[in-house]
Amino acid sequence: NAGVTQTPKFQVLKTGQSMTLQCAQDMNHEYMSWYRQDPGMGLRLIHYSVGAGITDQGEVPNGYNVSRSTTEDFPLRLLSAAPSQTSVYFCASSRAGTGVSPLHFGNGTRLTVT
Amino acid sequence: AQTVTQSQPEMSVQEAETVTLSCTYDTSENNYYLFWYKQPPSRQMILVIRQEAYKQQNATENRFSVNFQKAAKSFSLKISDSQLGDTAMYFCAFKRTNRDDKIIFGKGTRLHILP
Repeated sequence: NAGVTQTPKFQVLKTGQSMTLQCAQDMNHEYMSWYRQDPGMGLRLIHYSVGAGITDQGEVPNGYNVSRSTTEDFPLRLLSAAPSQTSVYFCASSRAGTGVSPLHFGNGTRLTVT
Repeated sequence: AQTVTQSQPEMSVQEAETVTLSCTYDTSENNYYLFWYKQPPSRQMILVIRQEAYKQQNATENRFSVNFQKAAKSFSLKISDSQLGDTAMYFCAFKRTNRDDKIIFGKGTRLHILP
């Protein structure tokens, strides 16, 4: 059981480049989300989804796009990378709806934008 | 909007001592869930403990326990008999029930267990 798989683990981009961070889960979780972690800022929610075809913005959505075409996958797209997007990115999933279902996290992607 | 506040950016304690990490939150909801996550240097996020707001009994998981004060909107984590492996970032998190399922995190407390 792989859980939540994020790729790549590390990435360096130049300002203005685009890329997609991949996230896949094999637990049939309805809820998926993306966070960024910066020193002193904790984890901040970028975008989330409660099911295929449904996405919504979190606390810091600007500069990022998401889509959810399948239950398993939730990619995060940076259309034009900026140095302010240098961060560690985490994808997380859980069962949706009732119950205290905790988040299952991927191992993170360290992104550097120069 | 819900907010989660961890007022201790960094703490250090001696091995085998007991340490308490503070967390307060702001919400108008009556039912919700609270979590503590641990992030060791490996960067992996690990669930430590969870609490359902409608349960008055404080959650306990081995050496980890919480002091949940609903009226005060406080959710502190107590680590007993601390071990070197407890060295990590600890995040408090809040989730509303039966709503949009999103989970909001505090800024974290970096805990150092000293030998």
